[in-house]
Amino acid sequence: DAKTTQPTSMDCAEGRAANLPCNHSTISGNEYVYWYRQIHSQGPQYIIHGLKNNETNEMASLIITEDRKSSTLILPHATLRDTAVYYCIVRVKSGTASKLTFGTGTRLQVTL
Amino acid sequence: NAGVTQTPKFRILKIGQSMTLQCTQDMNHNYMYWYRQDPGMGLKLIYYSVGAGITDKGEVPNGYNVSRSTTEDFPLRLELAAPSQTSVYFCASSYPAGGDNEQFFGPGTRLTVL
Repeated sequence: DAKTTQPTSMDCAEGRAANLPCNHSTISGNEYVYWYRQIHSQGPQYIIHGLKNNETNEMASLIITEDRKSSTLILPHATLRDTAVYYCIVRVKSGTASKLTFGTGTRLQVTL
Repeated sequence: NAGVTQTPKFRILKIGQSMTLQCTQDMNHNYMYWYRQDPGMGLKLIYYSVGAGITDKGEVPNGYNVSRSTTEDFPLRLELAAPSQTSVYFCASSYPAGGDNEQFFGPGTRLTVL
């Protein structure tokens, strides 16, 4: 799996968009970008994933640069409940068990 | 669906004691995993299973054992508890072969070894 780099922490005002960056300069052509988050003391929660096109679901949007070396997770209207650690993971889709490797992620603090 | 459930939520063990952490999923997922998370750190994979009767080691398997006799259950066994095993343990499951890396996690078991 390609290595990823994320800022240690970020702050965001409630109601504003939270933009969480992730660098993955060694990503290969068949590797996807996945985002998970972990709210304090809970198990991680899948958010979204993509290969090269931008993706959007009910939780967030994922913007991947054209060269695929970086991506941004966007929470369009952050709320206090979005305060969590966000993990960016790069890996291939395979037909075997997907052993996710979680790093230390970005701690997002949403404030009033 | 209850999703992934784990018991107990909390446990305190003395050094040398043993225990089993229970994990059950009701989504008919073939793949199941055990992770541990030390304070302020990311998750590390302990063991995983691709189906009943099949298990394999992850990054940090020493001191643990697993079994998978049914699709639903994937218990994690600690035989001789050590302070280094103080951690939060998460069980997860994912879709069968098809390649999706979306894993569903349980609420965790917080274990302290004194």
